[in-house]
Amino acid sequence: NAGVTQTPKFRVLKTGQSMTLLCAQDMNHEYMYWYRQDPGMGLRLIHYSVGEGTTAKGEVPDGYNVSRLKKQNFLLGLESAAPSQTSVYFCASSYSSLGSAEAFFGQGTRLTVV
Amino acid sequence: AQSVAQPEDQVNVAEGNPLTVKCTYSVSGNPYLFWYVQYPNRGLQFLLKYITGDNLVKGSYGFEAEFNKSQTSFHLKKPSALVSDSALYFCAVRDRESGTYKYIFGTGTRLKVLA
Repeated sequence: NAGVTQTPKFRVLKTGQSMTLLCAQDMNHEYMYWYRQDPGMGLRLIHYSVGEGTTAKGEVPDGYNVSRLKKQNFLLGLESAAPSQTSVYFCASSYSSLGSAEAFFGQGTRLTVV
Repeated sequence: AQSVAQPEDQVNVAEGNPLTVKCTYSVSGNPYLFWYVQYPNRGLQFLLKYITGDNLVKGSYGFEAEFNKSQTSFHLKKPSALVSDSALYFCAVRDRESGTYKYIFGTGTRLKVLA
């Protein structure tokens, strides 16, 4: 029972480089989310998806893009990394038909941009 | 807009004493409220949730939370704290207003249980 799996777990990027974070869930969840966690700021929503082929902006979407080509995968892309994107990134998923359902989280990706 | 506030950055409690981690919310309509715990270098783990019904909700690891509609609060409690309870705790509300069902998190409260 893998749940939500994030790849990679750690990464160091140089300013201007690009990368893609992969999130995979095996629970057949409709909804998927990308959050970033920064000290003193809690979790802030970057982008989310309510189903395969759909994406929407969250609270802090600038500098990120996402894709949901398959129901089980949700990709987060950084086209040109900036030091301000140094953070811990969490993916989560949940059922859609049950609004009271809790979210399940991956273990996080620690990204450092130098 | 829906929001969650955790007024304390850190809570210290002696092992064996009761603990309370505070959370207040602002929503229109009836809320779906959640508590999560995060251990170092780990993802968030679900502890408990309030949907409707009993105001006292029981969850994992002996934690419970009390929903108070008049005070718009959802405080996390445990009768007897353990050193292993030391972690970062997040309160969250699910956004039903917009129909998107996003989770909105508080800024987190670090719980430190002293031996």
